[in-house]
Amino acid sequence: EVQLVESGGGLVQPGRSLRLSCAASGFTFDDYAMHWVRQAPGKGLEWVSGISWNSGSIGYADSVKGRFTISRDNAKNSLYLQMNSLRAEDTALYYCAKVAGTAFDYWGQGTLVTVSS
Amino acid sequence: QSALTQPPSASGSPGQSVTISCTGTSSDVGGYNYVSWYQQHPGKAPKLMIYEVSKRPSGVPDRFSGSKSGNTASLTVSGLQAEDEADYYCSSYAGSNPWFGTGTKVTVL
Repeated sequence: EVQLVESGGGLVQPGRSLRLSCAASGFTFDDYAMHWVRQAPGKGLEWVSGISWNSGSIGYADSVKGRFTISRDNAKNSLYLQMNSLRAEDTALYYCAKVAGTAFDYWGQGTLVTVSS
Repeated sequence: QSALTQPPSASGSPGQSVTISCTGTSSDVGGYNYVSWYQQHPGKAPKLMIYEVSKRPSGVPDRFSGSKSGNTASLTVSGLQAEDEADYYCSSYAGSNPWFGTGTKVTVL
């Protein structure tokens, strides 16, 4: 059974940093691209960042480019999102999602990031 | 690039059909057969319902179907059931990055 478990969320002050993790199991992690998608409270889904199976291709939404860094450790079956210079508008539930082809076929339950002073 | 456009809401009675549109441009929806649809119940993670415009993952009822014409993709839910009440999001690639639609709340009357 595919499982994606996010962690690392919490309350953080504007301008500070946070690192999210996603532990994957139930599939061959290094065969698949992985992404982060967020959802602000009461709002829709927003793609944040994605990384190919071998970290050779990485993409970011314009809203986080230059502040967030995605990475993965295939030996640990883990995906990460380093978030720097956090802003109030980064407040959201952050999901990690596995990609099959061009669709997100499995999602974690999310980790909540709240940016507030 | 901005979010794909969906109607905020749609509704139907049990047993009826409801169709949700997802309008983009020739650079995303119209340019690729990479449209997918997601169902999200309150407090839950999204669930993949349709991928590559019209393909259903294993386990998704055949009441759910997808199509595309030009720059607009559509999700149709036939034979509406109470459990279909949820938010639905489309997604498409624009170049190398994916974009989500604005979301549609489906209400079963």
